[in-house]
Amino acid sequence: DQQVKQNSPSLSVQEGRISILNCDYTNSMFDYFLWYKKYPAEGPTFLISISSIKDKNEDGRFTVFLNKSAKHLSLHIVPSQPGDSAVYFCAASLSSYKLIFGSGTRLLVRP
Amino acid sequence: EADIYQTPRYLVIGTGKKITLECSQTMGHDKMYWYQQDPGMELHLIHYSYGVNSTEKGDLSSESTVSRIRTEHFPLTLESARPSHTSQYLCASSEGLAENTGELFFGEGSRLTVL
Repeated sequence: DQQVKQNSPSLSVQEGRISILNCDYTNSMFDYFLWYKKYPAEGPTFLISISSIKDKNEDGRFTVFLNKSAKHLSLHIVPSQPGDSAVYFCAASLSSYKLIFGSGTRLLVRP
Repeated sequence: EADIYQTPRYLVIGTGKKITLECSQTMGHDKMYWYQQDPGMELHLIHYSYGVNSTEKGDLSSESTVSRIRTEHFPLTLESARPSHTSQYLCASSEGLAENTGELFFGEGSRLTVL
């Protein structure tokens, strides 16, 4: 039973446009949500997080939105750059000691 | 920049061999984790540790074992490798505070191929 789902395995956007990556979850007990970015042959790196008591968190070009009633979060990247091309993993934290990951979305930003 | 290191990065080995994947971190983190990931799939937690002499199995059943004799070191061992163990293994660590967001620092991974 997959508790964190990323239903889009891939996304392609034009440089300068907005990238929107989506994530759905099933467990209402999750207290933090995180996005990780992974380049080939490297480990994931932390990108941005949001507490379950907030609905938005912004860091430069990256904004994460949380809709608790829909159990949905999204990552917006504006403007998208070719260097943003990577696999993005959504993750949810349970009691701050364990992360449950989605299957990832591969983002390609075309020049 | 995270200071967590995994060796080997790549390993091709025959069935039945014993292997140990090394993971070391220099950040003094109490919590350490091993995740397993197949291409296009989610990361699955297979082992974690809250500190020295503490190890627990994760959500995904694994035939591997781990040990935590020193804070900085969290090796993973497969006594007899099989082709089904072919995967990428990712080690991670995090701070031990209850208030933390759960942010993990990952190593670069060990890609294991068992022939």
